[in-house]
Amino acid sequence: DTGVSQDPRHKITKRGQNVTFRCDPISEHNRLYWYRQTLGQGPEFLTYFQNEAQLEKSRLLSDRFSAERPKGSFSTLEIQRTEQGDSAMYLCASSFGLAEYEQYFGPGTRLTVT
Amino acid sequence: GQNIDQPTEMTATEGAIVQINCTYQTSGFNGLFWYQQHAGEAPTFLSYNVLDGLEEKGRFSSFLSRSKGYSYLLLKELQMKDSASYLCAVRDITRGSTLGRLYFGRGTQLTVWP
Repeated sequence: DTGVSQDPRHKITKRGQNVTFRCDPISEHNRLYWYRQTLGQGPEFLTYFQNEAQLEKSRLLSDRFSAERPKGSFSTLEIQRTEQGDSAMYLCASSFGLAEYEQYFGPGTRLTVT
Repeated sequence: GQNIDQPTEMTATEGAIVQINCTYQTSGFNGLFWYQQHAGEAPTFLSYNVLDGLEEKGRFSSFLSRSKGYSYLLLKELQMKDSASYLCAVRDITRGSTLGRLYFGRGTQLTVWP
């Protein structure tokens, strides 16, 4: 399968714990995005990388959230000291080249904070 | 900010035609996307409009009027498998933003009845 992959697909954690998600984009795609989606809402932008550079970060992303893409390939999203409000689907997407190309989404990681 | 508005729910019967509207308000419009999202799955790309007019792709067509801040997605010859959420997304280049981020509407849940 050559699509965007995310791991894990589901994560249940207790409030206060740290969690880390991984995203592997389509191999030739230089842009990688993280979104968060809650039930009945559209995806909300969190952050975006072009190669290894983090070019934009949403104000939604508090200091507890950090994302990396160290070699310009896979990316990780870490949430520290999780809160119940962090429960959501975390979607990764990738795209290639110029901005008019569509973003391809991965299957998402569903996080439940108890 | 961006105000993207689309109906919450729509229903139609198999074989019919349905039009899903989307209105938006942005300060730096740079393209409109439609995505389809089945329950529990990732969004998949349907169409992209950056110039005014109609883009046709098989059973799906998308229209854009930049002066009116309006788009619609037209689905013809509806099939049961078209039951899904349809997300309107706008790319907005404003100060401090880049070409990467998309702003999504809440999605229109379409139910196709036999």
